[in-house]
Amino acid sequence: QKEVEQDPGPLSVPEGAIVSLNCTYSNSAFQYFMWYRQYSRKGPELLMYTYSSGNKEDGRFTAQVDKSSKYISLFIRDSQPSDSATYLCAINTGGFKTIFGAGTRLFVKA
Amino acid sequence: GAGVSQSPSNKVTEKGKDVELRCDPISGHTALYWYRQSLGQGLEFLIYFQGNSAPDKSGLPSDRFSAERTGGSVSTLTIQRTQQEDSAVYLCASSPPRTRTDTQYFGPGTRLTVL
Repeated sequence: QKEVEQDPGPLSVPEGAIVSLNCTYSNSAFQYFMWYRQYSRKGPELLMYTYSSGNKEDGRFTAQVDKSSKYISLFIRDSQPSDSATYLCAINTGGFKTIFGAGTRLFVKA
Repeated sequence: GAGVSQSPSNKVTEKGKDVELRCDPISGHTALYWYRQSLGQGLEFLIYFQGNSAPDKSGLPSDRFSAERTGGSVSTLTIQRTQQEDSAVYLCASSPPRTRTDTQYFGPGTRLTVL
């Protein structure tokens, strides 16, 4: 079993839709939860970071962590074509090694 | 300021040849990581450098892979006797001195194709 599982998609939605991206993980020791966004032929960039359980909101983006279910989510409201990218979840125990999910490819159609 | 840079952006080589991939981290960043990203796969950790400490090489897939970091800055990933399964995007990332988030700043990657 992989430490982090993420559906690779692709996920295609119309502009303005609410997008839900999800990951599950297996190790309860993980404490830091991140979402990276990767545009085509670019390196990933940090989008959201959450420590422990709870929600964190930044503009149209909300990151949610449920440690009891080992489930993390990223919601995108009012999705835009410019949101089309691959979204990678990433988790960390607090040490140097971050485990990345496989990434979900998102297409937002105008 | 300048971000992480990598060169070359693309590299096509023949099976059996050696290749060198270069990473210039953000100035002042003490941590440097190399990852490999294959189609449909997550980022596969390869190696980690932190300051002057011995690197963590636990992710290197075989002894054909090696990396060094000179002067705590520029890093070179070397793949000897390349194989077709080495074809992937090789990403470098750097992080500032230890922060709780361990945020990583990625370069654009080197796309390696082994024919």
